[in-house]
Amino acid sequence: DIQMTQSPSSLSASVGDRVTITCQASQDISSYLNWYQQKPGKAPKLLIYDASNLETGVPSRFSGSGSGTDFTFTISSLQPEDIATYYCQQYDNLPYTFGQGTKLEIK
Amino acid sequence: QISLKESGPTLVKPTQTLTLTCTFSGFSLSTSGEGVGWIRQPPGKALEWLALIYWDDDKRYSPSLKSRLTITKDTSKNQVVLTMTNMDPVDTATYYCAHSPYSNAMDVWGQGTTVTVSS
Repeated sequence: DIQMTQSPSSLSASVGDRVTITCQASQDISSYLNWYQQKPGKAPKLLIYDASNLETGVPSRFSGSGSGTDFTFTISSLQPEDIATYYCQQYDNLPYTFGQGTKLEIK
Repeated sequence: QISLKESGPTLVKPTQTLTLTCTFSGFSLSTSGEGVGWIRQPPGKALEWLALIYWDDDKRYSPSLKSRLTITKDTSKNQVVLTMTNMDPVDTATYYCAHSPYSNAMDVWGQGTTVTVSS
């Protein structure tokens, strides 16, 4: 299985801050990387697919970059409604593994 | 507009078999490229991918759970069924199904159904 390592596991930031989360794959996954947002008690929501493509309807403050083994997810200006846990997921090889998640809190 | 909804028991006993149904709309599993996957999340823990079925009845399973999982589809009912045998308390989780087109992201998820394994 491909291991996905996210960092940090938790993050506290202020409204308006730029927030960055990284995800590293244990082997080359090209750009087959998604980012999901999960709010408490809710299902995950797809934000970014193919490493850098914004899902329809997702605010432009969210972005993704990277390829191969190293990926970055960025919120350009943190909003209160962005409080959630964020997961990366590779879909290059089955099983489609997830990172362990990054819990984002407001400072 | 694609939507999915999971259904099944909320409580199962250890060693029993769990059967979950995903009922969906907005796409057909008889259409080339379409797929439905299952993912679970134990309380307070990360997401775990379980299984996937495609329009052509190609089925894929998590290697660690393959011996316990079976995924099937009923195209006429727009349903996908996941069975998991020999349930254990560690299988307590919220189980999600998701629209999972071939070589694409899981773009729409169901609301999830919580399953507790306890005697």
